Amino acid sequence: NAGVTQTPKFQVLKTGQSMTLQCAQDMNHEYMSWYRQDPGMGLRLIHYSVGAGITDQGEVPNGYNVSRSTTEDFPLRLLSAAPSQTSVYFCASSYDRRNTEAFFGQGTRLTVV
Amino acid sequence: AQRVTQPEKLLSVFKGAPVELKCNYSYSGSPELFWYVQYSRQRLQLLLRHISRESIKGFTADLNKGETSFHLKKPFAQEEDSAMYYCALNKGYSTLTFGKGTMLLVSP
Repeated sequence: NAGVTQTPKFQVLKTGQSMTLQCAQDMNHEYMSWYRQDPGMGLRLIHYSVGAGITDQGEVPNGYNVSRSTTEDFPLRLLSAAPSQTSVYFCASSYDRRNTEAFFGQGTRLTVV
Repeated sequence: AQRVTQPEKLLSVFKGAPVELKCNYSYSGSPELFWYVQYSRQRLQLLLRHISRESIKGFTADLNKGETSFHLKKPFAQEEDSAMYYCALNKGYSTLTFGKGTMLLVSP
């Protein structure tokens, strides 16, 4: 039972570098989301997808891109890393749009120096 | 705008004491509310959702639309309850607005 798998678990980037955080789920869920977790801020929505080929912006989308070419995968791209993007990133998936449990990955701890 | 407020950053109690973690929300419409828990070094997981009206690990939460609250309660706290608790509101398409979280510490 893999559920939602995120890679890598830890990453250190230099300012200006780009990278992709990977997220994969094996539950055939249509709905997937990316959140960032910062101390004292809770979790904030970056981008989300309601199915393959469909993505939309969340609360804090600037500096991030997403795509959804398959149901299983929902990668998050940092275009040009900034220290303000130092955070813990969580991917989540759900099988329905209402009243359903969101399943979370174990998180990626990103530090931008 | 949708908003979830958890007024306490930290709640510290002794084992066996009652616990109440507060959550207030603002939402125009019929809210879908959840409590998620994050134990140390583990991923977020669902604890309760208001539509289920069930008790999980001794925790209950009742939606009070008049007071726009969804407080989490447990009559007798256990040490294993120590964790970060997040109240969350479904914004649509299963995306969530989270409160800032309350850290619950249960001391022996």
